[in-house]
Amino acid sequence: QKEVEQNSGPLSVPEGAIASLNCTYSDRGSQSFFWYRQYSGKSPELIMFIYSNGDKEDGRFTAQLNKASQYVSLLIRDSQPSDSATYLCAVTAGRRALTFGSGTRLQVQP
Amino acid sequence: NAGVTQTPKFQVLKTGQSMTLQCAQDMNHNSMYWYRQDPGMGLRLIYYSASEGTTDKGEVPNGYNVSRLNKREFSLRLESAAPSQTSVYFCASSGGNQPQHFGDGTRLSIL
Repeated sequence: QKEVEQNSGPLSVPEGAIASLNCTYSDRGSQSFFWYRQYSGKSPELIMFIYSNGDKEDGRFTAQLNKASQYVSLLIRDSQPSDSATYLCAVTAGRRALTFGSGTRLQVQP
Repeated sequence: NAGVTQTPKFQVLKTGQSMTLQCAQDMNHNSMYWYRQDPGMGLRLIYYSASEGTTDKGEVPNGYNVSRLNKREFSLRLESAAPSQTSVYFCASSGGNQPQHFGDGTRLSIL
């Protein structure tokens, strides 16, 4: 079983819709959870991070964490074609290095 | 503020050649990391350094060595390159429990 699992996609949504990206993790000791956006040929760019159960909102982005279910998600409201990218979920316990999922490719259709 | 700087950006090697990938950060971060990313996959940790003078193996360390030269610099060395090491290599740094910041990557092809 992979430590961090994501659906590879592509997830296709129309412009203006809500995109929902999901991630599950296996290590119950995980404490910190991150979403990175990666455009083709570019480096990962931090979008959101969340440490506590519940929701965290930043502009059009909302991260949701449920530690009991070992589940973290990213919602993108009012999706734009510029949001089309691969979204990487990453988790870590304490000061250890990040463990990444393989990413979900999002396509926002104009 | 340059953040994390990687050199070179592109490199082509022949099997058996050696080379060193350089990484430097100007954010005064204690921790630095080397990842590789293969097509359609997430990032896999090669080595990391929690502080100056310490290094630890990650998920895929075989065929690589690292040096934490000082707080700013963390280099990755391929002693005898193999085609399986063709990949995009990313260096990252972080301070405390803060998120990691990534460099632009080195695209390495081994023929």
